Amino acid sequence: DAGITQSPRHKVTETGTPVTLRCHQTENHRYMYWYRQDPGHGLRLIHYSYGVKDTDKGEVSDGYSVSRSKTEDFLLTLESATSSQTSVYFCATVRLGSGNTIYFGEGSWLTVV
Amino acid sequence: GESVGLHLPTLSVQEGDNSIINCAYSNSASDYFIWYKQESGKGPQFIIDIRSNMDKRQGQRVTVLLNKTVKHLSLQIAATQPGDSAVYFCAENSMGNQFYFGTGTSLTVIP
Repeated sequence: DAGITQSPRHKVTETGTPVTLRCHQTENHRYMYWYRQDPGHGLRLIHYSYGVKDTDKGEVSDGYSVSRSKTEDFLLTLESATSSQTSVYFCATVRLGSGNTIYFGEGSWLTVV
Repeated sequence: GESVGLHLPTLSVQEGDNSIINCAYSNSASDYFIWYKQESGKGPQFIIDIRSNMDKRQGQRVTVLLNKTVKHLSLQIAATQPGDSAVYFCAENSMGNQFYFGTGTSLTVIP
């Protein structure tokens, strides 16, 4: 258990509406990530953060923005949701050690209709 | 960029048999590898990891083998149980905190 909570767990929204997914972690990890998971693609990195107000783009960042105003919270926003953003979104943190192990939350299922 | 893939997208095994799931990676600079299990409707769960200075690592009923010569790793599950049915995928870590993931192999255990 990596102490990661995602909300909402399930959401249906209409095309063109803004959506914010929240990731909350309780272990004070510095690194946080947002991935999306689609059939045939595996996990693809959307955005990541190395600390408060320190974020960067991943390989599929178009249409997404993030914010990290507190260590424990990492928000993912879809400014204007599209059907191509229907996916499962996973938040993750990294436990630093002899290997940088990445741990995932339980996922947020988003459907854009 | 790096690619992490799996040789077999699906695998069916009889309960009690051993399972072997394979993974290929392309970045010879990767120095840390992780296997995950993902059950339907859940997030990926860490199973076992291995660093590049090792060839083999054992856990409870699981063993990971790393062959750096051919850039291949495998996950062996001993005495496979119905609860092992899930998607398994590997991840590689290089360049600090960047991770790359395979698409996964779906393991089905036949009672």
